Amino acid sequence: GAGVSQTPSNKVTEKGKYVELRCDPISGHTALYWYRQSLGQGPEFLIYFQGTGAADDSGLPNDRFFAVRPEGSVSTLKIQRTERGDSAVYLCASSLNGRNTEAFFGQGTRLTVV
Amino acid sequence: DAKTTQPPSMDCAEGRAANLPCNHSTISGNEYVYWYRQIHSQGPQYIIHGLKNNETNEMASLIITEDRKSSTLILPHATLRDTAVYYCIVRVGPAGTASKLTFGTGTRLQVTL
Repeated sequence: GAGVSQTPSNKVTEKGKYVELRCDPISGHTALYWYRQSLGQGPEFLIYFQGTGAADDSGLPNDRFFAVRPEGSVSTLKIQRTERGDSAVYLCASSLNGRNTEAFFGQGTRLTVV
Repeated sequence: DAKTTQPPSMDCAEGRAANLPCNHSTISGNEYVYWYRQIHSQGPQYIIHGLKNNETNEMASLIITEDRKSSTLILPHATLRDTAVYYCIVRVGPAGTASKLTFGTGTRLQVTL
């Protein structure tokens, strides 16, 4: 497809489990962003990649959260030892290059930790 | 990135112009004003951005005050499909090194019949 694709669209996991969320950016986009959004709040920045490297990971809340983008395309957000407070919609966005061009967002993954 | 202030909610009758204000009094000279919107259960969608001149595209117009401390997004003929949360964001512009978008809580626009 032409847009940013995120899988799964919904994920329910038990407290303490490990989860991986996947983002397929628009082909050719070098910048990729992860956000999370709680109910009634705006998206909260987590991390952004320029190519394969994390250019800014200042939004990752703690060391249970980690993200990779090994080939500069698909990215995976990994959450270890999930907690109920991690429940949110996780959004991914990509933009064309290393300059602040328009960011295109995916539909998000709704993560529920029970 | 500079902080923005927006009203939490607004109503607009369908067919009327929706004028959404944003204050960004601490904006820096190299920062642009960006607008995104988020329709329920979807990811945010880019609308428009500008530096100091007024801008217009097929979706909206952006009016920035001369001192750049505030701006207004105008949807000229609002429709029910424009019901969404609208976010005003300031960040270094398209020629700058890529940086994060910092979202506030936005303005929830409700378009009614």
